[in-house]
Amino acid sequence: GAGVSQSPRYKVAKRGQDVALRCDPISGHVSLFWYQQALGQGPEFLTYFQNEAQLDKSGLPSDRFFAERPEGSVSTLKIQRTQQEDSAVYLCASSPRDTRRGDTEAFFGQGTRLTVV
Amino acid sequence: DAKTTQPPSMDCAEGRAANLPCNHSTISGNEYVYWYRQIHSQGPQYIIHGLKNNETNEMASLIITEDRKSSTLILPHATLRDTAVYYCIVRVARYGGSQGNLIFGKGTKLSVKP
Repeated sequence: GAGVSQSPRYKVAKRGQDVALRCDPISGHVSLFWYQQALGQGPEFLTYFQNEAQLDKSGLPSDRFFAERPEGSVSTLKIQRTQQEDSAVYLCASSPRDTRRGDTEAFFGQGTRLTVV
Repeated sequence: DAKTTQPPSMDCAEGRAANLPCNHSTISGNEYVYWYRQIHSQGPQYIIHGLKNNETNEMASLIITEDRKSSTLILPHATLRDTAVYYCIVRVARYGGSQGNLIFGKGTKLSVKP
């Protein structure tokens, strides 16, 4: 099945270390999202791509967080100088159409659980 | 986007219908109602969405009141595998800015019991 694939599934980082989280969306999907989910909470929006263009990064919590999607398919979320408060599950989702239309569902990956020690 | 209100938890007996309510009293005419669920340790899964009319698919039915201020997700024959957190989300249908993303609340934790 060609769903949204995220890697690694689990990542343990020492505080201050840089990490890179990868998302392979469903082939041909134009919209891509990153979400952060703290324990016991719902997912919170981080950033949104339409093909290779990052149209919204208003949810990124600090300038230590950076996302890219250079060729409009695979995306990477990078966190520099990780802190303990960055510990969470990072979810990627993709949609086949422009989700700004409002009537398009998003398909989520299983997430990457980041633990900063 | 309009805010939603859901009960924090519900129980349902296996094989019975699960009816999950959602209030969205500030919904506007161009906002869709979406339902997602999240099974433990997995990403959210799309269930169904609707604008004005009731909708049904292979997973569930969505009943939206005539004034659109509330809706109910119905799982007709709940199984143990339906135990999950269910999120009701309203989502505007317009272009521009951040309106493409989904805004999740805390959802309803549904426990299906044998």
